[in-house]
Amino acid sequence: DAKTTQPNSMESNEEEPVHLPCNHSTISGTDYIHWYRQLPSQGPEYVIHGLTSNVNNRMASLAIAEDRKSSTLILHRATLRDAAVYYCILRDVESNFGNEKLTFGTGTRLTIIP
Amino acid sequence: DAGVTQSPTHLIKTRGQQVTLRCSPKSGHDTVSWYQQALGQGPQFIFQYYEEEERQRGNFPDRFSGHQFPNYSSELNVNALLLGDSALYLCASSPIREDEKLFFGSGTQLSVL
Repeated sequence: DAKTTQPNSMESNEEEPVHLPCNHSTISGTDYIHWYRQLPSQGPEYVIHGLTSNVNNRMASLAIAEDRKSSTLILHRATLRDAAVYYCILRDVESNFGNEKLTFGTGTRLTIIP
Repeated sequence: DAGVTQSPTHLIKTRGQQVTLRCSPKSGHDTVSWYQQALGQGPQFIFQYYEEEERQRGNFPDRFSGHQFPNYSSELNVNALLLGDSALYLCASSPIREDEKLFFGSGTQLSVL
């Protein structure tokens, strides 16, 4: 499985934008970039995913580098409820069974400062 | 929609015992995956079930087994428990389709004494 590299921890002030980086230099052409987050005492929660183009949804934006070797999850206005561990995951969709195997790293622990 | 539900939420066992964890997938989902999350680590894939068969398996010993029922619910069984099996066990469900997102339950916290 292609690997991702993320900083262990980051801090951000409440109501400010947050940029969470992820490096994936060995990404293959069929790998989607997925982001999940895990709030305290909960299971991981899907945030966003993309293949080549930047993506936006109600939770966040995903900026993907042109060479696809890195990406950035953007929280436009962080709140205290965004404090969580954020995981960047590569998911190969060339699989007969949809490939539910996600390979999690240790993620980035995001702390929001009031 | 209840989402993914897991039971029990907490469990304490002793070494050598056997344990069964249960998962009900989100409505409309037909695949179930199980993950183990040790303290301070990311979740590790155990296996995936679809159409009542194990389809993919991670690097876990045969002590870890599972089952999927016709209603898509699933069980995870662990035999001969070791202290190192203490972890949060997460169940995830999705429809069997490429790039579909997974929905996770809140997990079962297993402590082996």
